[in-house]
Amino acid sequence: EAGVAQSPRYKIIEKRQSVAFWCNPISGHATLYWYQQILGQGPKLLIQFQNNGVVDDSQLPKDRFSAERLKGVDSTLKIQPAKLEDSAVYLCASSLTSGTGSLSYNEQFFGPGTRLTVL
Amino acid sequence: AQKITQTQPGMFVQEKEAVTLDCTYDTSDPSYGLFWYKQPSSGEMIFLIYQGSYDQQNATEGRYSLNFQKARKSANLVISASQLGDSAMYFCAMRGGSNYQLIWGAGTKLIIKP
Repeated sequence: EAGVAQSPRYKIIEKRQSVAFWCNPISGHATLYWYQQILGQGPKLLIQFQNNGVVDDSQLPKDRFSAERLKGVDSTLKIQPAKLEDSAVYLCASSLTSGTGSLSYNEQFFGPGTRLTVL
Repeated sequence: AQKITQTQPGMFVQEKEAVTLDCTYDTSDPSYGLFWYKQPSSGEMIFLIYQGSYDQQNATEGRYSLNFQKARKSANLVISASQLGDSAMYFCAMRGGSNYQLIWGAGTKLIIKP
């Protein structure tokens, strides 16, 4: 079974430029997550999709970040314009469902991440 | 507010020794789940073990076990017979709240010495 795919693996841009990241979840997984992981910190959830609908985007800086999951499969995360503080690893994860409750096992499977450096 | 605390930024352990990674959590919800993930230098998060708040027994998965002390709100990960390949970042996370999302700790960097 193929895992979660992400591209590119690395990206270097200058501030105020735009950048896009792509994620292909595990086949059949309804829920897709985008996380931002700043060096030395744990991941922070940016947005969660259930199929092609948004479950939670409360921590997504909507003035510069956008994400979509057309057709409920692949997803794209975009930053426009980028700031220095956006330098981080962007992780995509997927799970079968979002879980039926807080006790739900519902393991999240992660991709290799995209390391973004903003100069 | 829900919170995960990992107090050990880094640890050095001799190969073949057991190691305990600390995790404490804070929540007012009676129902929650606790996860441990491993993140090697390659960057991918690898699921290790899960414990539900109502589970009577501590979870075990091969060389990994979770020392769950509910009254103390701690969920320490124990790795037995450590190997060089165990060198990585380890994250504790909790599922809970209204959206059942994962809340993550800051991680512990584990280095196994030969």
